[in-house]
Amino acid sequence: DSGVTQTPKHLITATGQRVTLRCSPRSGDLSVYWYQQSLDQGLQFLIQYYNGEERAKGNILERFSAQQFPDLHSELNLSSLELGDSALYFCASSGGPANYGYTFGSGTRLTVV
Amino acid sequence: GQQVMQIPQYQHVQEGEDFTTYCNSSTTLSNIQWYKQRPGGHPVFLIQLVKSGEVKKQKRLTFQFGEAKKNSSLHITATQTTDVGTYFCAGDDSSYKLIFGSGTRLLVRP
Repeated sequence: DSGVTQTPKHLITATGQRVTLRCSPRSGDLSVYWYQQSLDQGLQFLIQYYNGEERAKGNILERFSAQQFPDLHSELNLSSLELGDSALYFCASSGGPANYGYTFGSGTRLTVV
Repeated sequence: GQQVMQIPQYQHVQEGEDFTTYCNSSTTLSNIQWYKQRPGGHPVFLIQLVKSGEVKKQKRLTFQFGEAKKNSSLHITATQTTDVGTYFCAGDDSSYKLIFGSGTRLLVRP
C-alpha cells in the first residue's frame, strides 16, 4: 500500500457518459497530480493541485476537469466519454512544492465501450 | 513545451547481462527522477538527481545526470528477473509538473 488511495479500481462505462475518479493523497502530502496512461504508453500529465489550488496544467481535454477539496482529496471528472479515453488514470501525491518523488496510487482502469 | 525522450523502447536481455536506458530532455532540468513500473503495477519512485554530473548508486543500479542537466541514464549491472518492468525517467523544469519519458520496457530471460 503506497498510501495514495484511488477509487474505483475499475470502471466500465458507455460512450457519452460522465465518470468521477477519486484520489486520497498520502497523509501530509499537499500536492496531487493526475496522469493518464494509455495501453503500452507513457504517463501523460493532466493536472496538478497544491493545497486546493490548481498549480499546473498539461494536455488535459476540455471534457476533463478536476478539483482538490479542503481535506486534500481530489476528483477527476471525465465527461462525454469517447472510446479513446479508455486508459489507466493515476493519481500521485508529493510533500509540497519542493518535489522529492511522487507516490502513485494503484490507478483506475477506465474502459469506455 | 518540454519533451522528454527515452531510448530504447524495449530491451530484452539474458539474466546476468547489463542494461542501460537513456533519457534526453528538450529543456534544462532542475532535477530528474527515475521510476519503475512492474507489469500491472503503478510507478514507484527510485531516485532523484539534482546536481550537474551527479552519479548515484543503488546496489546494482547506477544513475547519472548529465553535465548540461538535459540528459540522464540508468544502468543496471547483472540483471535479474526481478528487474523486469518499465523504467521511466521524469524531468522537472521547475514548472510544477513532472514530464515523464516514454519508458524503457526491460524483459529478462532466465
